[in-house]
Amino acid sequence: GAVVSQHPSRVICKSGTSVKIECRSLDFQATTMFWYRQFPKQSLMLMATSNEGSKATYEQGVEKDKFLINHASLTLSTLTVTSAHPEDSSFYICSAKLAGVDTQYFGPGTRLTVL
Amino acid sequence: GNSVTQMEGPVTLSEEAFLTINCTYTATGYPSLFWYVQYPGEGLQLLLKATKADDKGSNKGFEATYRKETTSFHLEKGSVQVSDSAVYFCALILYSGAGSYQLTFGKGTKLSVIP
Repeated sequence: GAVVSQHPSRVICKSGTSVKIECRSLDFQATTMFWYRQFPKQSLMLMATSNEGSKATYEQGVEKDKFLINHASLTLSTLTVTSAHPEDSSFYICSAKLAGVDTQYFGPGTRLTVL
Repeated sequence: GNSVTQMEGPVTLSEEAFLTINCTYTATGYPSLFWYVQYPGEGLQLLLKATKADDKGSNKGFEATYRKETTSFHLEKGSVQVSDSAVYFCALILYSGAGSYQLTFGKGTKLSVIP
């Protein structure tokens, strides 16, 4: 149980375009989802926390207008990288948790490459 | 603030060797502690967890004991296999005011096991 999927697993896009990444909890209802960014050989950096039906809470330094997060249902959150630039190239990982449980379950990640 | 410090890698071991990856933490309260594993090209998987002092988490031959007196959560395995080659992240969760919650990661330790 507690499986989280992400789609796509890899995406290559041109500079200036927008990319949407989906995160789904497959067998549980996720009251809270998280989006992380991981740079090569580094730890995960929390970008934002989203609760179903409310606006995401962004970490300091993360541009909310550039990284749009929507958590419209208990099983789906989306991250849209708007007007992507090469410096946005990274590995984006989502996670999800149940209410009252402190364990986060992670998706397999999405490798974004912006040309 | 909260922080997690883990030994820097990379760590290279021969198959069947004993593994220890040190992890210490700083937190303004009583966190839950986790070890996550990231295999090449994949997202994070929960390896084990412990939620209170003296708890021992274990999974797949790995163990870690929550030591409040030394603020540590060292990961151990008696006999590593080539398939254990991955990056290991120590992490903590601490609930703060108004129900907020954040997972804080260490920088990760890369383990390579050679036949």
